[in-house]
Amino acid sequence: DIQMTQSPSSLSASVGDRVTITCQASQDISNYLNWYQQKPGKAPKLLIYDASNLETGVPSRFSGSGSGTDFTFTISSLQPEDIATYYCQQYDHLPYTFGQGTKLEIK
Amino acid sequence: EVQLVESGGGLVKPGGSLRLSCAASGFTFSSYSMNWVRQAPGKGLEWVSSISSSSSYIYYADSVKGRFTISRDNAKNSLYLQMNSLRAEDTAVYYCARDHTIFEGGRFDPWGQGTLVTVSS
Repeated sequence: DIQMTQSPSSLSASVGDRVTITCQASQDISNYLNWYQQKPGKAPKLLIYDASNLETGVPSRFSGSGSGTDFTFTISSLQPEDIATYYCQQYDHLPYTFGQGTKLEIK
Repeated sequence: EVQLVESGGGLVKPGGSLRLSCAASGFTFSSYSMNWVRQAPGKGLEWVSSISSSSSYIYYADSVKGRFTISRDNAKNSLYLQMNSLRAEDTAVYYCARDHTIFEGGRFDPWGQGTLVTVSS
């Protein structure tokens, strides 16, 4: 199975800060990488697909980059409504696997 | 509006069975592959199973293979997960999720609200 390692596992930042989360795959997954946002008590929501494509309707302050084994998710200017846990997920090979999540809090 | 609504969760004893359902609306259900993803309390996301649009292709996580069966009824716009020989470690919120597009599997969007399965004596 492909292991997805996210860091950090938790993060505290101020409104307006630039926030970066990294995700590393245990083997080359090309760009078959998605990012999801899960707010407390809610279902996950797809934000970024194919490593860097912004899902329709998602604010442009969210972005993704990377390919191969190393990927980055960025919020350019943190907003209060961005408080959530963020997950990366690979779909290059079955079983589809998720990172352990990054819990984002407001400082 | 695309909507997925899960049902069928509840409390079941170890070794017991449960059948989850997911009612879909707002899109052409028969064109999309569908998935189950679960989340244990306070834990991360785990892919469970996927089924192609015509049920030709079915995949399971090793953790549920041989115990869980995914199926669908395109005439009823419904997805199912039959769960047998349940264990404590199957306790989780189970989400139904549609593939993002009809062309490629593995991207999950949208998701239902989830249904809680608790396996305990």
